[in-house]
Amino acid sequence: SQQGEEDPQALSIQEGENATMNCSYKTSINNLQWYRQNSGRGLVHLILIRSNEREKHSGRLRVTLDTSKKSSSLLITASRAADTASYFCATDGSDQAGTALIFGKGTTLSVSS
Amino acid sequence: GAVVSQHPSWVICKSGTSVKIECRSLDFQATTMFWYRQFPKQSLMLMATSNEGSKATYEQGVEKDKFLINHASLTLSTLTVTSAHPEDSSFYICSATLGGWDNEQFFGPGTRLTVL
Repeated sequence: SQQGEEDPQALSIQEGENATMNCSYKTSINNLQWYRQNSGRGLVHLILIRSNEREKHSGRLRVTLDTSKKSSSLLITASRAADTASYFCATDGSDQAGTALIFGKGTTLSVSS
Repeated sequence: GAVVSQHPSWVICKSGTSVKIECRSLDFQATTMFWYRQFPKQSLMLMATSNEGSKATYEQGVEKDKFLINHASLTLSTLTVTSAHPEDSSFYICSATLGGWDNEQFFGPGTRLTVL
């Protein structure tokens, strides 16, 4: 079953602009991960944020986590055409290690040059 | 880094035939592997959890007799789609975990199955 929702479902921006995607989930989590998927391809792991962390950076990516609201956001700064892809958040349960990831519905990002 | 491969990357088969998809962890031993299915323009849906040496655990709504999973070793899990039908056409992705509290998972590149 789906863990939660991503918002927006689709996002179109110009190169150089920032893109913000949000993810909400339903249950307690151990960590939350963000993945990118180019059309018809496999997943690329972007960043993992633990439940006791509030913010994490990796290059042009900034992820926040608010466990009280059960939500996370992914910010891509200074977007490029190559950032065009679908982005998914994924969570696992907080009481078990080695469990499957539950994916959100994803945000399709289109960056035009 | 940990690498997971899948074979084949794509397959086209006739309705009624069976298709086997392999998932291998190339440079680590994975006690647990997961199989996901993704329909066009949709998210990944967990099908089953596969543990080495034991029966797979299937998610609700996934037919265990149709999607046979074998996890014979710590580096190989196979998914066999039996008597495939056009509605089984999908993108099948496996992942493997090293375990540990971070539960970092490593995904294969996926297998595109098209059933005619």
